[in-house]
Amino acid sequence: QQQVKQSPQSLIVQKGGIPIINCAYENTAFDYFPWYQQFPGKGPALLIAIRPDVSEKKEGRFTISFNKSAKQFSLHIMDSQPGDSATYFCAASETGANNLFFGTGTRLTVIP
Amino acid sequence: NAGVMQNPRHLVRRRGQEARLRCSPMKGHSHVYWYRQLPEEGLKFMVYLQKENIIDESGMPKERFSAEFPKEGPSILRIQQVVRGDSAAYFCASSPQSTGNSPLHFGNGTRLTVT
Repeated sequence: QQQVKQSPQSLIVQKGGIPIINCAYENTAFDYFPWYQQFPGKGPALLIAIRPDVSEKKEGRFTISFNKSAKQFSLHIMDSQPGDSATYFCAASETGANNLFFGTGTRLTVIP
Repeated sequence: NAGVMQNPRHLVRRRGQEARLRCSPMKGHSHVYWYRQLPEEGLKFMVYLQKENIIDESGMPKERFSAEFPKEGPSILRIQQVVRGDSAAYFCASSPQSTGNSPLHFGNGTRLTVT
């Protein structure tokens, strides 16, 4: 079954808008939540990651919000640009585990 | 830039042939992971290896698929007697430690097409 549920499947925003991508999980043992960005023909690249001891983490225009009680986390992209058009994947794992569980991805299109 | 190197980038095989996918991890990384990505889906874990050892192959199909990471040379994902359903992008990732403690660095993948 899908360990990490991601929505929406696709998203279109105008330049300067703030796309928000949401993910939810069930396994309370998860303690590492990264987001990956993937451009066509490329492998996923780590964008930003958070651990459950904080509720928010910001790096540049990218912010992760984390709600431990709801078992949800989301990615916000401030002042989005056409160059941000890509597929975004959330993921989760637990310390000592051997693999990351990925969401199904969100294809973001930023219109100039 | 000594990133994760995968080859070939594209591979076309007829049904019944063998596919060999290669992955050289980042310098200094001894942990290698293989993931499969089907169209419009996320990445699914297949196998985790360290040098000369398979640590976790819980995501590997029971038949036709095998992986190795020899003492010398790249990690190899081998698919025997390929079928159309094996068509996918296969990504290799490496890390200096096991996943729970450090990020994965992905290669650009091998896109396998089975005709």
